[in-house]
Amino acid sequence: DAKTTQPTSMDCAEGRAANLPCNHSTISGNEYVYWYRQIHSQGPQYIIHGLKNNETNEMASLIITEDRKSSTLILPHATLRDTAVYYCIVRVAAGAGSYQLTFGKGTKLSVIP
Amino acid sequence: GAGVSQSPRYKVAKRGQDVALRCDPISGHVSLFWYQQALGQGPEFLTYFQNEAQLDKSGLPSDRFFAERPEGSVSTLKIQRTQQEDSAVYLCASSPQVGGNQPQHFGDGTRLSIL
Repeated sequence: DAKTTQPTSMDCAEGRAANLPCNHSTISGNEYVYWYRQIHSQGPQYIIHGLKNNETNEMASLIITEDRKSSTLILPHATLRDTAVYYCIVRVAAGAGSYQLTFGKGTKLSVIP
Repeated sequence: GAGVSQSPRYKVAKRGQDVALRCDPISGHVSLFWYQQALGQGPEFLTYFQNEAQLDKSGLPSDRFFAERPEGSVSTLKIQRTQQEDSAVYLCASSPQVGGNQPQHFGDGTRLSIL
């Protein structure tokens, strides 16, 4: 699976949009971009995923560049409960293999009151 | 509940003891994964089941680690002759299908401490 690069940490003011970038310049055509977050002492929580089109759900929006080499996760109105480590992961959707997720170090997002 | 359930939530064992960690996946989920998360690191893949078949165990760190899912639902991760380096959070995840793009859903893990 392609390697991803994320900033180590970011701060965001409560109520503002949090924009978390991810670089995946070696992504293949059949690899999806997934975002998970992990709040202290909990398991990773699925947020959103996409292939090439922008996606939105009740938690966040995912913007993928046209060349698919980078993406941005947007939390439209950050709250203190959004403080967590955010992981950007690319993973093949079909083919041989067990489809495990390869986590990097992620971005530690701190939402500031 | 509707989510992935893991037990125990915390486990303390003495070095050399055997431990067993349980995972109850979401009902009907075909795929089941185990991950290990060391302090301050992201989760790392251990092993994968498709129903009762263990199709990938490439991430198991040694032959002291053994996992099973005999009836294709509940899974147990067993660690024999535990060592201090086995101290970590062990996470279980399940997903409804093989391959595809469906996300994995995680439990809250078992925090294992080896004294």
